[in-house]
Amino acid sequence: DIQMTQTPSSMPASLGERVTISCRASQGISNYLNWYQQKPDGTIKPLIYYTSNLQSGVPSRFSGSGSGTDYSLTISSLEPEDFAMYYCQQYDSSPPTFGGGTKLELK
Amino acid sequence: QVQLKESGPGLVQPSETLSLTCTVSGFSLTSYGVNWVRQPPGKGLEWMGTIWNDGSTDYNSALKSRLSISRDTSKSQVFLKMNSLQTEDTAIYLCARGVFYYYDGTYYWYFDFWGPGTMVTVSS
Repeated sequence: DIQMTQTPSSMPASLGERVTISCRASQGISNYLNWYQQKPDGTIKPLIYYTSNLQSGVPSRFSGSGSGTDYSLTISSLEPEDFAMYYCQQYDSSPPTFGGGTKLELK
Repeated sequence: QVQLKESGPGLVQPSETLSLTCTVSGFSLTSYGVNWVRQPPGKGLEWMGTIWNDGSTDYNSALKSRLSISRDTSKSQVFLKMNSLQTEDTAIYLCARGVFYYYDGTYYWYFDFWGPGTMVTVSS
């Protein structure tokens, strides 16, 4: 199985700050990489699909980039509702696997 | 609007079989696949398997020998059965709609709507 390693595992940040979460795959995944947000109440929603495509309804302050084994999610200016868990997920090969998550916390 | 909701027993005895139902609305199971994902308490997400819109299935190889996913399209329900449960199977079990398509030489597969999840505890 492809292992997905997210860094950092937790990140204190302030409102209005620009933050970047990294995700590294154990082998190249050809941009087959999605990002999800999980709120404290457990609700999960997709943010980015295929590395850099913004899911409908997701604010433009979210963006994704990367290639090969290294990918990132950037939030350009943190809003209060952005403090949550974030997961990357590859689907280059089965089984699709998720990163361990990054908890974005209010500093 | 699109909704998914999981249901099932909250407590299962070790070595017994887990049966869960995902009831969907706002879309047809013959147009979209449905995936099962689980999350042990305080941990990350694990994809368990999917039933595609054509009724075929794919499973995580780590669970394949214990897992079965099926559906009843007339009731808009997807079922998960997993046998020989152990304490490490304690988790929140979630179902999620899968979007899958090819475009311009690339394939896209992601989970666009998720249920709230149901907690399953394996304990005697």
